[in-house]
Amino acid sequence: DAKTTQPNSMESNEEEPVHLPCNHSTISGTDYIHWYRQLPSQGPEYVIHGLTSNVNNRMASLAIAEDRKSSTLILHRATLRDAAVYYCILRDVRNSNDYKLSFGAGTTVTVRA
Amino acid sequence: DVKVTQSSRYLVKRTGEKVFLECVQDMDHENMFWYRQDPGLGLRLIYFSYDVKMKEKGDIPEGYSVSREKKERFSLILESASTNQTSMYLCASSTRGRFLNTEAFFGQGTRLTVV
Repeated sequence: DAKTTQPNSMESNEEEPVHLPCNHSTISGTDYIHWYRQLPSQGPEYVIHGLTSNVNNRMASLAIAEDRKSSTLILHRATLRDAAVYYCILRDVRNSNDYKLSFGAGTTVTVRA
Repeated sequence: DVKVTQSSRYLVKRTGEKVFLECVQDMDHENMFWYRQDPGLGLRLIYFSYDVKMKEKGDIPEGYSVSREKKERFSLILESASTNQTSMYLCASSTRGRFLNTEAFFGQGTRLTVV
């Protein structure tokens, strides 16, 4: 299984952008890149996903490197409510038996007021 | 509003007890998952199920079993609870989807303490 590597923690100031890196150097051509986040005392929630092109939604943007070996989740203006653990995971489209959804330790984001 | 509901938010059990954690989803999802979460270790997959009566081991299945008799319900069973199973347990579900790129929905979690 392709693995992801994320920094353990990041700090940001309120209303500033946050760039969360994720390395996935062994990614295969059919792996989708997914991001989830977990707010304190809650279960994880979906943030965004992509395959090759950059993606935007109301929560965040996902920038994917041209060689797909890394990606960056961008929170454009951090708020205190964005303080959470952010997980970057890969899901293989090609393998129809790949129902697993495996998480790593994630990046803990702290937002300073 | 989509929902994954775990039967208890907090649970305290004694060592050696048989413990059932229940999870129900109302989205007609094929896939259901059980994770445990411990400080510094992230989410670790215990078991998952891709259909009724089907189950597969995740990364840490030892000491656990599961049951999926109905599509909407996925139960995690601790046959004989031990103190090292004190943890936050999270249930999730997702649709199979054509390209496996669909999001998973999580419950609020059950904090289990084994004393």
